[in-house]
Amino acid sequence: NAGVMQNPRHLVRRRGQEARLRCSPMKGHSHVYWYRQLPEEGLKFMVYLQKENIIDESGMPKERFSAEFPKEGPSILRIQQVVRGDSAAYFCASSPLSGAARRMNTEAFFGQGTRLTVV
Amino acid sequence: KQEVTQIPAALSVPEGENLVLNCSFTDSAIYNLQWFRQDPGKGLTSLLLIQSSQREQTSGRLNASLDKSSGRSTLYIAASQPGDSATYLCAVSSGNTPLVFGKGTRLSVIA
Repeated sequence: NAGVMQNPRHLVRRRGQEARLRCSPMKGHSHVYWYRQLPEEGLKFMVYLQKENIIDESGMPKERFSAEFPKEGPSILRIQQVVRGDSAAYFCASSPLSGAARRMNTEAFFGQGTRLTVV
Repeated sequence: KQEVTQIPAALSVPEGENLVLNCSFTDSAIYNLQWFRQDPGKGLTSLLLIQSSQREQTSGRLNASLDKSSGRSTLYIAASQPGDSATYLCAVSSGNTPLVFGKGTRLSVIA
């Protein structure tokens, strides 16, 4: 049973380009969370998705960032018109449980992250 | 708003020493607390999960304690080894929010 898979592991983009980060949750998991880690900082929550639904996007910047988790395929975090300040490690976590059940039980399983560098 | 603080930010110890990493959180109404390890340029590895009803969890040389009322957790590492060198992150789950992380403690164990 493969863990949470993220690709690419490293991504370099020029300012103004688009970045697409992919996350395949663990088998049987239908809940995905995206986090961003800036240098020397902790992980900051960005967005929580279930299949075809955004549950909580309170941590997402209002512009240029979007996320989806389609019925088929991986979850995608899209950053349009990237700027140098977007350079960070982006982590995805998955869970088999709803938010309510998750609180009571499970540990979070994280992917290896995608390191985005904007030049 | 939940905030998580980890002290110290960095720690360097000689091999073989026992050590304690500290984590504090501002809202004691948590559901669980989790300790992670992060190696440079790598992802997060879950070490220990403590439910709010529990006082401690142990795994090998690691022991994590939780005092929910005072908003504190400690991670105790016995007989430290150079392979323990990494950043240790504490995260809490409370209310409707996903995990809230501290900034981590960067540990170096010197051979």
